[in-house]
Amino acid sequence: AQTVTQSQPEMSVQEAETVTLSCTYDTSESDYYLFWYKQPPSRQMILVIRQEAYKQQNATENRFSVNFQKAAKSFSLKISDSQLGDAAMYFCAYSDRGSTLGRLYFGRGTQLTVWP
Amino acid sequence: NAGVTQTPKFQVLKTGQSMTLQCAQDMNHEYMSWYRQDPGMGLRLIHYSVGAGITDQGEVPNGYNVSRSTTEDFPLRLLSAAPSQTSVYFCASTGDEGKLFFGSGTQLSVL
Repeated sequence: AQTVTQSQPEMSVQEAETVTLSCTYDTSESDYYLFWYKQPPSRQMILVIRQEAYKQQNATENRFSVNFQKAAKSFSLKISDSQLGDAAMYFCAYSDRGSTLGRLYFGRGTQLTVWP
Repeated sequence: NAGVTQTPKFQVLKTGQSMTLQCAQDMNHEYMSWYRQDPGMGLRLIHYSVGAGITDQGEVPNGYNVSRSTTEDFPLRLLSAAPSQTSVYFCASTGDEGKLFFGSGTQLSVL
């Protein structure tokens, strides 16, 4: 079964600084999706960024970017110019492209604190 | 466009009581799923459905029942609630390229 590991239960960053959240995964598939979801105190699950495994180019969404290392099965999230509103729980997730598309495997999450 | 509508937002049950968590989506997605979120555990898949009339078990299905009579609706039933089912529950539907759309979640406490 696919597994997703987030080795940092908690991280903190100063406002305006950069922080990187780590994620590794295990799969025997070659074609899949990877996601980072943000969960603020409101509990809502918000998609931050998505990466397709067959694309070598790292995904970017404004201040959020990923470092996707397919051979190493690593998928880290970099948040630049951190803002107070970035404080949240962040989940890394994996999904096959095949018959089980739509089934996500989640990591245990990283709680990000942003200090003013 | 409402997306995924999940009710109720909060619920308190006594051990042994039954209840149904409702989930509806208006995006005509075939794939729908239920997850539970526990502290330090991330989100874990309970049950999922790939279309009307088809359901299957996920990672933690015990104590839960689902059905999918229409594309839009995917309710989750707790037949006899137990304290171990105290959790936050999320319904989701899957759009193009694996993108999940989540409901707003249900905080369930079983006393």
